[in-house]
Amino acid sequence: RKEVEQDPGPFNVPEGATVAFNCTYSNSASQSFFWYRQDCRKEPKLLMSVYSSGNEDGRFTAQLNRASQYISLLIRDSKLSDSATYLCVVNIGAGNMLTFGGGTRLMVKP
Amino acid sequence: DTGVSQDPRHKITKRGQNVTFRCDPISEHNRLYWYRQTLGQGPEFLTYFQNEAQLEKSRLLSDRFSAERPKGSFSTLEIQRTEQGDSAMYLCASSLGVRWDEQFFGPGTRLTVL
Repeated sequence: RKEVEQDPGPFNVPEGATVAFNCTYSNSASQSFFWYRQDCRKEPKLLMSVYSSGNEDGRFTAQLNRASQYISLLIRDSKLSDSATYLCVVNIGAGNMLTFGGGTRLMVKP
Repeated sequence: DTGVSQDPRHKITKRGQNVTFRCDPISEHNRLYWYRQTLGQGPEFLTYFQNEAQLEKSRLLSDRFSAERPKGSFSTLEIQRTEQGDSAMYLCASSLGVRWDEQFFGPGTRLTVL
């Protein structure tokens, strides 16, 4: 079983739609959580950190459920530029090594 | 450009050859990480440095792989006797070294082993 699991998609949605991605992690010792965005053939970039209380950044909302070991990302009012792969990431150790899920591919269409 | 840089961006080599990649982190970043990413997968952690000390190595890092960060600035990743299974994108990231701080990734070195 992978340490961080995501539905690979692709999710094909029209512009303006709301889309939600889910992620589960297996290590209960995981201490910090992130969503990264990766465009095709580019490096991953931090989208947002995920806090236990949930957090929002513009059209993006992230939630964490430690009891269920579950992380979510909600994107409202999808834009064409949101098309990318979204990587769920957890941090287990003191060294800050990141464990990535396989990514969920989003395609936003006109 | 003050971001993380990696060189070369692309490397094609024949099986059995040795290759070396370089990563220049953001200046003043104490931590430097190496990850490997294959097509359709997320990046996988390989190793990391706190200044010049290599503090953690993944089980993915076989004895054919070696990484150095001799002066606590740039780092090199060497793969000896390359195999086709080594074909991947090798990503370098750096961070300030504060707990849970953001890692900034470089553009990666894409390795193809023929």
